[in-house]
Amino acid sequence: LAKTTQPISMDSYEGQEVNITCSHNNIATNDYITWYQQFPSQGPRFIIQGYKTKVTNEVASLFIPADRKSSTLSLPRVSLSDTAVYYCLVERDDKIIFGKGTRLHILP
Amino acid sequence: DSGVTQTPKHLITATGQRVTLRCSPRSGDLSVYWYQQSLDQGLQFLIQYYNGEERAKGNILERFSAQQFPDLHSELNLSSLELGDSALYFCASSVASGRALKPQNEQFFGPGTRLTVL
Repeated sequence: LAKTTQPISMDSYEGQEVNITCSHNNIATNDYITWYQQFPSQGPRFIIQGYKTKVTNEVASLFIPADRKSSTLSLPRVSLSDTAVYYCLVERDDKIIFGKGTRLHILP
Repeated sequence: DSGVTQTPKHLITATGQRVTLRCSPRSGDLSVYWYQQSLDQGLQFLIQYYNGEERAKGNILERFSAQQFPDLHSELNLSSLELGDSALYFCASSVASGRALKPQNEQFFGPGTRLTVL
């Protein structure tokens, strides 16, 4: 069963690049990796999704090595408004497992 | 604004009672998902409906039930409420059915209903 492991929390400073790594050792061949962002008392919001190598959109980049057992979400030049919880998801038997996510705290 | 609406925003009730939470998906989305988020458990997937039929089931208690109506709105019914059921309940919708995390099947979340059981 695909299960994800990510750091519980991270701190960084405004203007820095932040990388959050997620481990998913049992990912299945057809599974995609998806990242969501959640602000307090709001529903999660889709950030990025990928299958392998690198995906980039206007918000973030997602790096996935060839073995796909991990992935790294990269947020360029973070600001205070990027303070949120970030969830890495891999599907498990048609059920979506969000886990506890990584609480990212951006400092001025 | 995700386009997903949930009512009510807040609900306060007593143990043993029954409540109904309502969700209207984005226009055109056929799938509806329900999640529970409490402080110690994180975001837990409860159940998914696609075009009126149950598609996937997560950690949903027997005291909870859901359905999706012909107009695609969905209701989550919580009965015999316990203190531990106090949580934020989110609804999400997406276009497609099937395995939720396939490409292009992004989920759009509503603002949530905060349930407090006293």
